[in-house]
Amino acid sequence: QVQLQESGPGLVKSSETLSLTCSVSGGSISSYCWSWIRQPPGKGLEWIGYLYHSGSTNYNPSLKSRVTISVDMSKNQFSLKLSSVTAADTAVYYCARQAVLMSGGIMGWFDPWGQGTPVTVSS
Amino acid sequence: DIQMTQSPSSLSASVGDRVTITCQASQDISNYLNWYQQKPGKAPKLLIYDSSDLETGVPSRFSGSGSGTDFTFTITSLQPEDIATYYCQQYDDLPYTFGQGTKLEIK
Repeated sequence: QVQLQESGPGLVKSSETLSLTCSVSGGSISSYCWSWIRQPPGKGLEWIGYLYHSGSTNYNPSLKSRVTISVDMSKNQFSLKLSSVTAADTAVYYCARQAVLMSGGIMGWFDPWGQGTPVTVSS
Repeated sequence: DIQMTQSPSSLSASVGDRVTITCQASQDISNYLNWYQQKPGKAPKLLIYDSSDLETGVPSRFSGSGSGTDFTFTITSLQPEDIATYYCQQYDDLPYTFGQGTKLEIK
């Protein structure tokens, strides 16, 4: 079955760019939609954005000016870049898959998820 | 953004109890509502999608119902392994949004 694994620096300095990668194993990255979701310490879940297998993206308006999600089909990976980070961006970051219908419609639930990677923004 | 409000925020129940969590959307979301279980230090796990459809492999003691703005998640007979935080999530409109979570503890 498909498995997702996040990777990247656990510590990022304030004002710099957070960069994470999600590696997909056990299945192809094509024909699906791929999301990033984050969870600040002790808090709830926030959807960051998704990347459709065609390369199109959709971002949460609250983060849109700072977020880029991209794909590397050759490596079966997709990535998240979040610029100008502050302490408010400290969180566990998860990648997750969304199924896509034959018609192209994106199913709105996340399954499976990666195990998550904690990122701390330091001043 | 569509606001999702869960209640209660925390809940203490005994093994074997019937447990109910509610989720209210700030506007009509039809049945575009999912439920997740998150155990400490773990990623969320999809339990129910489209308000009432049970994900494959999820025990039948979990169920969901509702449409429009009001939704219910039920565990018919609480088991020790059900201790977790539960989240609802809407996908009627972007951005996808989650409820604040309900932390379930054993009494």
